[in-house]
Amino acid sequence: DTGVSQDPRHKITKRGQNVTFRCDPISEHNRLYWYRQTLGQGPEFLTYFQNEAQLEKSRLLSDRFSAERPKGSFSTLEIQRTEQGDSAMYLCASSNRQGNTEAFFGQGTRLTVV
Amino acid sequence: GDSVTQMEGPVTLSEEAFLTINCTYTATGYPSLFWYVQYPGEGLQLLLKATKADDKGSNKGFEATYRKETTSFHLEKGSVQVSDSAVYFCALSDGGGADGLTFGKGTHLIIQP
Repeated sequence: DTGVSQDPRHKITKRGQNVTFRCDPISEHNRLYWYRQTLGQGPEFLTYFQNEAQLEKSRLLSDRFSAERPKGSFSTLEIQRTEQGDSAMYLCASSNRQGNTEAFFGQGTRLTVV
Repeated sequence: GDSVTQMEGPVTLSEEAFLTINCTYTATGYPSLFWYVQYPGEGLQLLLKATKADDKGSNKGFEATYRKETTSFHLEKGSVQVSDSAVYFCALSDGGGADGLTFGKGTHLIIQP
């Protein structure tokens, strides 16, 4: 399977715990995006990498959130001190160049904070 | 900032009916426009796109035309099938630094046999 892969698919955690999600993009894609989708809403942009550089972060990304893409391949999204409001689907997407090019999405990681 | 507005759902149609899902946008410059589809249990998939005014995107019998004068990108299909039941998202990319997508809230389409 050469699509975008996300792990885990589901995560249940207690409030205050830290969680980390992983995204493996399509191998030749240099751009990687994280989005968050809550029930009944469309995905909202969180952050973006070009290769290993994190070039933009949404104001939605509070200081409890951190994302990395250490070697320009896979990426991780960590949420520290989770809150119930963090419960959402976290989507990863990748594309291979700027502008008008299809972004391929993974199936997402569904986070539930109890 | 950029925004996308699409019709609220759910939209329920009978098989072989004509489908229109309205989408309008607000953006600076000249965005690219997209329709994504999310089938039950699956990730978002690009359905079609248009990159400049008057372009028509088409795929799987679906069509949408980039109308700059009305800032719209309505999705249409002449004869829907049960297998078209899904959530449809209109989105734009303004081609800026991140080139990320701005999505509408999604329209849940239900096709009854």
